[in-house]
Amino acid sequence: DADVTQTPRNRITKTGKRIMLECSQTKGHDRMYWYRQDPGLGLQLIYYSFDVKDINKGEISDGYSVSRQAQAKFSLSLESAIPNQTALYFCATSVGTSGNTGELFFGEGSRLTVL
Amino acid sequence: QKEVEQDPGPLSVPEGAIVSLNCTYSNSAFQYFMWYRQYSRKGPELLMYTYSSGNKEDGRFTAQVDKSSKYISLFIRDSQPSDSATYLCAMSSNAGGTSYGKLTFGQGTILTVHP
Repeated sequence: DADVTQTPRNRITKTGKRIMLECSQTKGHDRMYWYRQDPGLGLQLIYYSFDVKDINKGEISDGYSVSRQAQAKFSLSLESAIPNQTALYFCATSVGTSGNTGELFFGEGSRLTVL
Repeated sequence: QKEVEQDPGPLSVPEGAIVSLNCTYSNSAFQYFMWYRQYSRKGPELLMYTYSSGNKEDGRFTAQVDKSSKYISLFIRDSQPSDSATYLCAMSSNAGGTSYGKLTFGQGTILTVHP
């Protein structure tokens, strides 16, 4: 089983619909992240969370919200989806202790299409 | 201008070739440099990690950092079809420790190694 699990893996929806992407992890990491990947743009950070009570905006948070329900769960919501939010979304985790590399561990991605 | 520029390719080489993947950057504060490998329909995985300038070798892979030129490279020797993937460079100004080691990613280079 994957250490970082994302659901759904694929979703097609219509403009204006509310969408939630869920992420759960069994790595025991404190830090969790949501990234968006578009062709030619690399990975862009949407939100990140260092623990259950800590939520921070990333580079492209407009139009998105998140919820950290537990140490192991971090969900991303699109309140009213629009076509330019069509992308591949990744959840990632990392260790929070000093002395580590900050390596990110990614899920397998959730492909979202907004018509 | 993007902080990190990476030639998106695609790059197609025959099996056994030496592959050179490169990124340039503009932020002189970057001192932690990484290469992630992303197979089709998978999340990125850390391949190489380098601190500051110099070379690091791991099997067929060599990472080079030239901070004076703001240029990093990943070399793959004796390339194999299993090396076919998207390679993303990433860099940050601080490590993952107690502060947030924000990673800035390049756009990714698509590599195909054909038999």
